[in-house]
Amino acid sequence: DVKVTQSSRYLVKRTGEKVFLECVQDMDHENMFWYRQDPGLGLRLIYFSYDVKMKEKGDIPEGYSVSREKKERFSLILESASTNQTSMYLCASSLEYGYTFGSGTRLTVV
Amino acid sequence: KQEVTQIPAALSVPEGENLVLNCSFTDSAIYNLQWFRQDPGKGLTSLLLIQSSQREQTSGRLNASLDKSSGRSTLYIAASQPGDSATYLCAVSPVKGAQKLVFGQGTRLTINP
Repeated sequence: DVKVTQSSRYLVKRTGEKVFLECVQDMDHENMFWYRQDPGLGLRLIYFSYDVKMKEKGDIPEGYSVSREKKERFSLILESASTNQTSMYLCASSLEYGYTFGSGTRLTVV
Repeated sequence: KQEVTQIPAALSVPEGENLVLNCSFTDSAIYNLQWFRQDPGKGLTSLLLIQSSQREQTSGRLNASLDKSSGRSTLYIAASQPGDSATYLCAVSPVKGAQKLVFGQGTRLTINP
């Protein structure tokens, strides 16, 4: 089974901190995605990557950046965390059209 | 812009009942549609994927149908069990868009013993 591992289940950070969310997949998938999930708003795509060092903005990229130096790892970076970035963050990878999601990171910015 | 709607937002039924969850989308130009399950505080688990050329897919007690021309999909759950309690999300993949998914907001399902 494909595994997508997110490094932290729960994270508390202070406003203004630089935050790194890490995601690793073990099945050589080309495509990786970062979503955030908020009550009433559903899942929204932040960034995605279809190859190493390749990235594209999703629907809500403001305040975020990403890094994909190796195929298996896709990092989401909050350059200067703000309270409105408190959310559940979900990483996913896909080959063709089969998606596998990680367990999520619940980030609280105080 | 593609929009995906799921009705109802929440559903509570007694154990053993058959039930139907609904999903509608505004743009019929889709590549495929997927149904996911999400348990509280967890990630998403893929249940069924229907390609745009298909009408339905089945897995165990689950059956998903797709009517692309009318912009609708249903997820049928037979003989529901308390373990089926979760949030069910549908998502569509646009024809142009490199596998990006557009999600509905989900239906929160509770099966009462």
